[in-house]
Amino acid sequence: SQQGEEDPQALSIQEGENATMNCSYKTSINNLQWYRQNSGRGLVHLILIRSNEREKHSGRLRVTLDTSKKSSSLLITASRAADTASYFCATDPSVTSYGKLTFGQGTILTVHP
Amino acid sequence: SQTIHQWPATLVQPVGSPLSLECTVEGTSNPNLYWYRQAAGRGLQLLFYSIGIDQISSEVPQNLSASRPQDRQFILSSKKLLLSDSGFYLCAWSWEGTIYFGEGSWLTVV
Repeated sequence: SQQGEEDPQALSIQEGENATMNCSYKTSINNLQWYRQNSGRGLVHLILIRSNEREKHSGRLRVTLDTSKKSSSLLITASRAADTASYFCATDPSVTSYGKLTFGQGTILTVHP
Repeated sequence: SQTIHQWPATLVQPVGSPLSLECTVEGTSNPNLYWYRQAAGRGLQLLFYSIGIDQISSEVPQNLSASRPQDRQFILSSKKLLLSDSGFYLCAWSWEGTIYFGEGSWLTVV
């Protein structure tokens, strides 16, 4: 079953705007990760946030984690057309899970030039 | 640096035919290896994972099998493909909990 559920399913914005995607999950986690997928390609790891962290930054990316609400958000600031892709959250349930992540259904982001 | 290779990139197979997708990882030893499937361009489903040679676990019952004949080689197989096996198959390896994916193989069963 899919643990992470992204919201919205699709997001369309103009270049320069910020894009926010949300992820909710159901069970406890060791960490939560965000991945990006360009159409027809493999997934690329963006950022990992551990259960004891609340916020993490990487370039134009900002990820928050609220374990009490079992939710995470990915913010892309000053979006570019090249950010157009699908974004997935994935949860890792424990340190002994051998990296068996559970992925959500993804958010399709379209950034218009 | 580590790299992962997956092939073939695309294939069209008739129903009932066999399947073999191969994946190799370079630049690391004894990696955890995975096969995921992505249907309809959305969420990923974990099919198999392996923590070592000949150590493979199946996550879902299906028409597929996996083998790991060498430390850095992971193979996804089927003896007889079904229409429902169509999809995008992704091989991956992990390091400290982060998954690194190959470029994927598009399988269309006709």
